[in-house]
Amino acid sequence: DTEVTQTPKHLVMGMTNKKSLKCEQHMGHRAMYWYKQKAKKPPELMFVYSYEKLSINESVPSRFSPECPNSSLLNLHLHALQPEDSALYLCASSQPLLRLWAYEQYFGPGTRLTVT
Amino acid sequence: EDKVVQSPLSLVVHEGDTVTLNCSYEVTNFRSLLWYKQEKKAPTFLFMLTSSGIEKKSGRLSSILDKKELSSILNITATQTGDSAIYLCAVMDSNYQLIWGAGTKLIIKP
Repeated sequence: DTEVTQTPKHLVMGMTNKKSLKCEQHMGHRAMYWYKQKAKKPPELMFVYSYEKLSINESVPSRFSPECPNSSLLNLHLHALQPEDSALYLCASSQPLLRLWAYEQYFGPGTRLTVT
Repeated sequence: EDKVVQSPLSLVVHEGDTVTLNCSYEVTNFRSLLWYKQEKKAPTFLFMLTSSGIEKKSGRLSSILDKKELSSILNITATQTGDSAIYLCAVMDSNYQLIWGAGTKLIIKP
């Protein structure tokens, strides 16, 4: 199974709503990532979890709150978002981050988020 | 500042043609270079090239890393309409972060 799944596929939310994006993988990967991708731009890294611990936070606003409840799941909690946060949110996973080796990341299909 | 530059930005060819996509980089503490294909949604992993694996091939796709020239090429032979996509090049740095190029939009005409 080389699949990363994300739910929901589409989400429309108002600026006062609270919602969550979910990501799941069963490849035994111990590194998981959240990216944000705007139209016609490459993905931008938001967060990296390694062994269920937050290891990289790319100065993301606090209205985005990640959570890694176990090695297979990654959530992104959303609160008080702005219209400019509308984008495709991608989850990815990879083998653990080791000093000398780098591993390819496998991406989920993404959640298309629209903030109204 | 680290950067990855892809060229061309877009390319239109006919089915059956061979294409070469370019990626050059200036990244401190290079670890690996990755190629992804992105159609409508998520990027799909194609190849990873490192100092110990500078050439990869899979079917009609192949890629070479030139560490001296700080660049890589992605070749697609006998192109098909299903090859139409955005091809993304990314370099992993010492912090294991991917630095992405802007992508090459490839259109294959029947």
